[in-house]
Amino acid sequence: EIVLTQSPGTLSLSPGERATLSCRASQSVSSSYLAWYQQKPGQAPRLLIYGASSRATGIPDRFSGSGSGTDFTLTISRLEPEDFAVYYCQQYGSSSWTFGQGTKVEIK
Amino acid sequence: EVQLVQSGAEVKKPGESLRISCKGSGYSFTSYWISWVRQMPGKGLEWMGRIDPSDSYTNYSPSFQGHVTISADKSISTAYLQWSSLKASDTAMYYCARHGVGGSTNRAFDIWGQGTMVTVSS
Repeated sequence: EIVLTQSPGTLSLSPGERATLSCRASQSVSSSYLAWYQQKPGQAPRLLIYGASSRATGIPDRFSGSGSGTDFTLTISRLEPEDFAVYYCQQYGSSSWTFGQGTKVEIK
Repeated sequence: EVQLVQSGAEVKKPGESLRISCKGSGYSFTSYWISWVRQMPGKGLEWMGRIDPSDSYTNYSPSFQGHVTISADKSISTAYLQWSSLKASDTAMYYCARHGVGGSTNRAFDIWGQGTMVTVSS
């Protein structure tokens, strides 16, 4: 089973700043089958990025994903007030889907 | 509108059985796998298992194999997650999600249900 480790655990930033979230896999994620999700309190997760770098339908272009192999990054270019939430990475390249433990982006 | 609608919150006692549901609408239910995801209070997301509604083929996370059963009734576009004997540690929010975007079989979860809260307490 592929283990995903996200860092940092918490990111304290101000609106307008750039956020960089990391996701490292215990082994290579095949074909960049890596996704990012956003979850706000009391809500279901929402797909942001799939295939490591493709934005899901309706996702603003301030969200971008990059990386391959074992190292992946989610970047939010300029934080909007609605972006403060928890973010999870997920690999779906094997027959056992796994999530990282999450990164909380909080208002500084 | 494409959506997954889950059954309502449940409060059960340890040892009781339970089945929760997830109904798909607005798309061809048999064309997309459905997964179940657990989120314990204040914790992260855990993938439990998935089903192909077209043939009911399932596979489970090793962490959940033998503890839950995933099934589907394609005639009513509904997937299920069931327990035969609940434990207090099963208290959590449970989400269903559609394998919607990506490769032919390797897909990310593009549509999520609203979640079903299961509370197990004596």
